[in-house]
Order: sequence, then C-alpha cells, then structure tokens
Amino acid sequence: GDSVTQMEGPVTLSEEAFLTINCTYTATGYPSLFWYVQYPGEGLQLLLKATKADDKGSNKGFEATYRKETTSFHLEKGSVQVSDSAVYFCALSATGTASKLTFGTGTRLQVTL
Amino acid sequence: GAVVSQHPSWVICKSGTSVKIECRSLDFQATTMFWYRQFPKQSLMLMATSNEGSKATYEQGVEKDKFLINHASLTLSTLTVTSAHPEDSSFYICSARAGASSYNEQFFGPGTRLTVL
Repeated sequence: GDSVTQMEGPVTLSEEAFLTINCTYTATGYPSLFWYVQYPGEGLQLLLKATKADDKGSNKGFEATYRKETTSFHLEKGSVQVSDSAVYFCALSATGTASKLTFGTGTRLQVTL
Repeated sequence: GAVVSQHPSWVICKSGTSVKIECRSLDFQATTMFWYRQFPKQSLMLMATSNEGSKATYEQGVEKDKFLINHASLTLSTLTVTSAHPEDSSFYICSARAGASSYNEQFFGPGTRLTVL
C-alpha cells in the first residue's frame, strides 16, 4: 500500500540555519504530495503541495520539489526562524482516492536563538 | 482561512463509558469530514470519511460499531467512542473539506486527546 517515510526528529537548528527535512514515498500511479505544519495547540495547516513530477511547491520561504525518479519530496528552507518551530508532516494523496491522505510520522523542528 | 474546531480538546473517562467528540467547521460548510487517529510518534491514520446526510465510510480494520460517526449537518460531525477501553486512548483529529471536489483542501481541527482509565 501507499506509505510515506520522513526523517525522525527532533531537528534542532539555530536561527538562520538551513533546513532540510527528508521525505520519501511509495505509491502506485501519480500521487499528489503535501507538506503540512502543526504549530503547538493548533490543527494541521497545508504548507505547500505539488501535484505532478518536477513541480515545486513553495510557501513562506519553504520549498519542496516533486522528484519522481527518487520518489522524494524533501522540505527545505534557506533561513529558519524561531517562529518556524513546529511539527512538519509529509503526506500523499493517491490518484482516484477522493483526497484520502497518507501521512508520514511527522518531524518536530525546534529553532533556537 | 477556514477554521475547524474540536470539542473537547481533551477528555479522561472510565473504561466502559462512551465519549463523544465534536468537530465543527466554523466559517464554511463542509460536505465531507474526515476522522483520523494518531498514536505517539506515529502518523495520522484515517479512520473514516463522512459525508453530510449519509453513512460514514470506514477504513479497513476500523470497527464501525465502536467508532460511531454522525455528520448530521454541513458544519458538524461527531465521533462517539462506545464502551471505551484503555487501548482506545489516542489523539483524534478531524478535518473538513468544503465542496465536493476531491481536490479541495482539507482543513484540520486541533485534535482531541482521549485517555481511558
């Protein structure tokens, strides 16, 4: 079945450091890929998405590129801020499944001054 | 943006009792709502999909008689955990989708932590 694997956390970075959170997936067909972010005490929010190979999703300085050849969708940000501290979830939605989302386990990011 | 609330945010109950969790879309009408369960350090697992006015569709392995879902209006879905046991302790999260298209975004509630003693 479909699955998403993302790096275990927590990831601790200093402010202005470069961030990479790895995400790989297994799915049949051509899934859509997502990154969600969950701030403390809040619900998951869609951060960015990509619906086909080589698409790049971007939002709030975060980027991820849909790489079909490596089945990856790594999240990157050039300079993190303390306010980016949150849990990040990689997810996919397989074609033809009416938006059923399959999530990774989440990666906690802690950014310090 | 669209807001989804859940109530209660946490609940503790005795084994054998039933617990109801509400999920509300506050500023939009949700034709479809989803219920997820999350174990510590594990991913969110979809339990069921509910469409307003119809029966919920449960994922494989989810007991529909234990996890009763009601989506009686376009802004409210409820999950009732019947005869709860300690193994039902978990974090339950709902999401809501506006419109019928499967490409419409899901908006998530903050979750409800259930502890069964």
